[in-house]
Amino acid sequence: AQSVTQLDSHVSVSEGTPVLLRCNYSSSYSPSLFWYVQHPNKGLQLLLKYTSAATLVKGINGFEAEFKKSETSFHLTKPSAHMSDAAEYFCVVSDDSGNTGKLIFGQGTTLQVKP
Amino acid sequence: DTAVSQTPKYLVTQMGNDKSIKCEQNLGHDTMYWYKQDSKKFLKIMFSYNNKELIINETVPNRFSPKSPDKAHLNLHINSLELGDSAVYFCASSHPPGTGMFFGPGTRLTVL
Repeated sequence: AQSVTQLDSHVSVSEGTPVLLRCNYSSSYSPSLFWYVQHPNKGLQLLLKYTSAATLVKGINGFEAEFKKSETSFHLTKPSAHMSDAAEYFCVVSDDSGNTGKLIFGQGTTLQVKP
Repeated sequence: DTAVSQTPKYLVTQMGNDKSIKCEQNLGHDTMYWYKQDSKKFLKIMFSYNNKELIINETVPNRFSPKSPDKAHLNLHINSLELGDSAVYFCASSHPPGTGMFFGPGTRLTVL
């Protein structure tokens, strides 16, 4: 069965410093992986997705993630945090076994950005 | 030109009542979903429809009944509401399945 584990429930960075949100996945086949962001009291927005093409995936707002099969990781990074990046981030794996598009969400990481 | 819309945005009701949440997408997607986000922000799929046909039905009480009149709409009806139903419910759509979903803004349901 597919699953994702977000290694940090809360990450705090200063504005202008790098962001690293960690995610490990478990999958019996080559997975599709995603990062979604949820700003306070808002819906979920797709940041980026990996679907077995390039292992380094660039997303919106300067975020990127690297798929590392040997480490079963899909960490999200950004070189320089902005105050507007403060939000909840979800690492997600697609359960493609039934071709239903079902997404399995991680527990979420709250990103705090300090001025 | 909202891609996935839900109504209402907030819903406050008494235990035992019946309520519905509506969802519409104008993206031309074939597959629509309902997800539930609990108080700890954990998201879990409830249902999925593909071209009006139910394809995912997770372990959800029978009090929850999805209805898809056409592939652009997926409504969620909840009977005999309980305190534990309080959550944020998100509608989503995708095409084809697994390529990444577009989520609606969510409906915050509070059962008193």
